[in-house]
Amino acid sequence: GAGVSQTPSNKVTEKGKYVELRCDPISGHTALYWYRQSLGQGPEFLIYFQGTGAADDSGLPNDRFFAVRPEGSVSTLKIQRTERGDSAVYLCASSLWGTSTGELFFGEGSRLTVL
Amino acid sequence: GESVGLHLPTLSVQEGDNSIINCAYSNSASDYFIWYKQESGKGPQFIIDIRSNMDKRQGQRVTVLLNKTVKHLSLQIAATQPGDSAVYFCAENGAESKLTFGKGITLSVRP
Repeated sequence: GAGVSQTPSNKVTEKGKYVELRCDPISGHTALYWYRQSLGQGPEFLIYFQGTGAADDSGLPNDRFFAVRPEGSVSTLKIQRTERGDSAVYLCASSLWGTSTGELFFGEGSRLTVL
Repeated sequence: GESVGLHLPTLSVQEGDNSIINCAYSNSASDYFIWYKQESGKGPQFIIDIRSNMDKRQGQRVTVLLNKTVKHLSLQIAATQPGDSAVYFCAENGAESKLTFGKGITLSVRP
């Protein structure tokens, strides 16, 4: 596609459930990022992939959060045993090389609500 | 810790006036700064960037100013239009390949 695509756009789940959020980056972009945005706040970094590998996962809040990018394109953010505090918009972004050389292209986000 | 922040939560301007959005950063090691615009229900959209070896950079109707001495970044929008209404974030690249965003300021354009 022309831009970064994220699915689902909205996800409502119950506390304790498992959730997967998908990101399809711009074709050819090697760098992929996940951010989390709470209401009224700026995006908060979670994890960065360069190709298939996680180059920086220092933003993942705890071991319930995990992300993969097995073929260097689509990425999945996985959240186990969801908690109400996980409710936020999860943004994915891609870049041709990385933030040091160019802008990030963001998707419209997946809004997660944990009841 | 290091942080990026904005001085005011909201800014209301008259259509046609110039807008100035300010941002303070605290990581002196940051060498790349970006302004993003976020409309409701959408992801942030790149507006303009500036590297630390520059003081000013101009785009179409937008100008970014960087004052490294006081660690201050500003975004100027000329002839503000209703379509400029959004939340604006400054971001810095303090660590390699990781952008840190400020909290955001809402720009409201009055007709």
